[in-house]
Amino acid sequence: DADVTQTPRNRITKTGKRIMLECSQTKGHDRMYWYRQDPGLGLRLIYYSFDVKDINKGEISDGYSVSRQAQAKFSLSLESAIPNQTALYFCATSDRDRDQPQHFGDGTRLSIL
Amino acid sequence: AQSVTQLDSQVPVFEEAPVELRCNYSSSVSVYLFWYVQYPNQGLQLLLKYLSGSTLVKGINGFEAEFNKSQTSFHLRKPSVHISDTAEYFCAVSPNTNAGKSTFGDGTTLTVKP
Repeated sequence: DADVTQTPRNRITKTGKRIMLECSQTKGHDRMYWYRQDPGLGLRLIYYSFDVKDINKGEISDGYSVSRQAQAKFSLSLESAIPNQTALYFCATSDRDRDQPQHFGDGTRLSIL
Repeated sequence: AQSVTQLDSQVPVFEEAPVELRCNYSSSVSVYLFWYVQYPNQGLQLLLKYLSGSTLVKGINGFEAEFNKSQTSFHLRKPSVHISDTAEYFCAVSPNTNAGKSTFGDGTTLTVKP
């Protein structure tokens, strides 16, 4: 089983719909992240959480919200989806030690029509 | 604040040839450096990391990278590539502070041709 699991893997929806992307991890890491990937733009950070009671905005948080339901679960919501939110979304985790790399899920491909 | 620049967006190379993927960074504090690889339809996986000590870092799949502090670079190299190395490669920098988080470059697509 994967250490970082994202659901769904693919989603097609319409403009204006509310969407939730879920992430769960079995690595026991405190830190969790949500990124979006667009061709040629690398990974851009949407939100991150260093523990259950700590939520922080990243560089592109507008139009998104998150919930850290437990140490192992971190969900991303699009309250009213718009076409330019079409992208590949990744969840990642890392240990609390600052020199630790991030561990990524396999991504959710989201298309908004 | 920190930033990462991957100097080549695409690198085509023939099988068994050497390859170098270039990464420059800027930061006002000392940093940790990482290279990740992304295969199609997968998330990123760690190739190697530089934390401290020897400036030449060896990673998985025969890759290595050299940290050059004076040139603020962390270039990735492999002496002989395989078709299976075709993927996207990301350089990332993380500041040496507790509140730090990683910044990723825009990625380099390595295409290995037979």
